[in-house]
Amino acid sequence: EIVLTQSPATLSLSPGERATLSCRASQTIANYLAWYQQKPGQAPRLLIYDASNRATGIPARFSGSGSGTDFTLTITGLEPEDFAVYYCQLRSNWPPSLTFGGGTKVESK
Amino acid sequence: EVQLVESGGNLVQPGRSLRLSCAASGFTFDDYDMHWVRQAPGKGLEWVSGITWNSGSLGYADSVKGRFTISRDNARNSLYLQMNSLRAEDTALYYCAQGLNADNWGQGTLVTVSS
Repeated sequence: EIVLTQSPATLSLSPGERATLSCRASQTIANYLAWYQQKPGQAPRLLIYDASNRATGIPARFSGSGSGTDFTLTITGLEPEDFAVYYCQLRSNWPPSLTFGGGTKVESK
Repeated sequence: EVQLVESGGNLVQPGRSLRLSCAASGFTFDDYDMHWVRQAPGKGLEWVSGITWNSGSLGYADSVKGRFTISRDNARNSLYLQMNSLRAEDTALYYCAQGLNADNWGQGTLVTVSS
């Protein structure tokens, strides 16, 4: 079973700063890695799929990178609405399954 | 516009059963795999179960295997989760999600297991 470990657990930053979130897999994985944003009281929203592809309507300040076991979500120039919890997720197609990381909270300093 | 509306959540005693439904609209339902994902109060996301577009392959988390059953009715554009032998640790907000990457999510239905 593959485990996804996200770090840091909490990131305290100011608007305009760059956020770098890490997701590490317990073994080498294909690039079926996605990132989600979740705000309080809301459902998660897909940001990035297949490690580096932005989902429809996602601003260009969000970018994903990485391969193998180490993946990164970068938010270049934090906007006030970006303060939220972010999850990474690995998908498997057959049988269909999802594995989530524990989440990183990006909070306002 | 993709819409996913979950229903069926309730307060239920341990050991009892519950059936969740997810009504889908705004897309061709039988083109997509579907998932159930849950979130316990104040906790992270936990995948529960997934089903391919034609019900040809089903997946379950170890925590629910043997107790939960996922199904779908493509004619009714609906996804279901039959939950048996419920436990306190099954208490969560249950989301249905569309697609391989869980591209779109509903707003969830709350299941509370308590005596």
